[in-house]
Amino acid sequence: GQQLNQSPQSMFIQEGEDVSMNCTSSSIFNTWLWYKQDPGEGPVLLIALYKAGELTSNGRLTAQFGITRKDSFLNISASIPSDVGIYFCAGAFSGGSNYKLTFGKGTLLTVNP
Amino acid sequence: DGGITQSPKYLFRKEGQNVTLSCEQNLNHDAMYWYRQDPGQGLRLIYYSQIVNDFQKGDIAEGYSVSREKKESFPLTVTSAQKNPTAFYLCASSTSTGVGEKLFFGSGTQLSVL
Repeated sequence: GQQLNQSPQSMFIQEGEDVSMNCTSSSIFNTWLWYKQDPGEGPVLLIALYKAGELTSNGRLTAQFGITRKDSFLNISASIPSDVGIYFCAGAFSGGSNYKLTFGKGTLLTVNP
Repeated sequence: DGGITQSPKYLFRKEGQNVTLSCEQNLNHDAMYWYRQDPGQGLRLIYYSQIVNDFQKGDIAEGYSVSREKKESFPLTVTSAQKNPTAFYLCASSTSTGVGEKLFFGSGTQLSVL
C-alpha cells in the first residue's frame, strides 16, 4: 500500500516564526489535503490541492502540490499560539471507484508565546 | 447548524464487552467513514459506507462491526474480539466517495479499557 512520510514529527517554535512541514509519498497522488487537529477534537480541513504544481493559500497558510505528485508541503507564516495542534497531510489517488485517503502520522506544533 | 455529532465523548469498556459508538450527520452526505487514531499515528480506516444499507471494510476492520440503516447514521460497534480497543475514534462524512471529495470529521470518541 501507499506510504506517507510526514516530517518533522514535532516542532517547537517561538510566536511569530514561520513554519514549514512536508509529506512525501511512495506513490503518485492526484489529491493532497492538509488538516489541523486540536487536542480531543476531529481534524479540520485547511487546504485541498488537486493539480501538480498548485499553490494555494488560506490566510497565513500556504500549501503546494509537488510537481512530481509525490510530495506536498505546508507553510505557516507568523505563527501565533492558536496554531498549536497536530497537522496531518493526506493523499488520494485515482484507482477504481472507491475513495481512500492515506494519512501521514502528523506534525505536532507547539508555539511558545 | 450542519455537522457531524459523535457520542459519547468518552467511553469505557470492560473486558469481553461490546460497545457502540454513535455517529450522526445532518449534512445530507452519502458517504460515511470510521477511523481509528492512536497516539503519534495517522488515521486508519476501519469501515466506510457509500450509501445506505451498504458498507465496506477498511484497512483494520477486524473486531469491529457497523450498520448503515439510515443515511444520517453510521454506528460503530467495538466487539470483544478487538483485543486492543483503546484509541480515539473519528467518524467522518463526505458528499460521495469520489477521489478528491473532502472529508468532514466529528469531534471524536475516546475509548478506554477498564
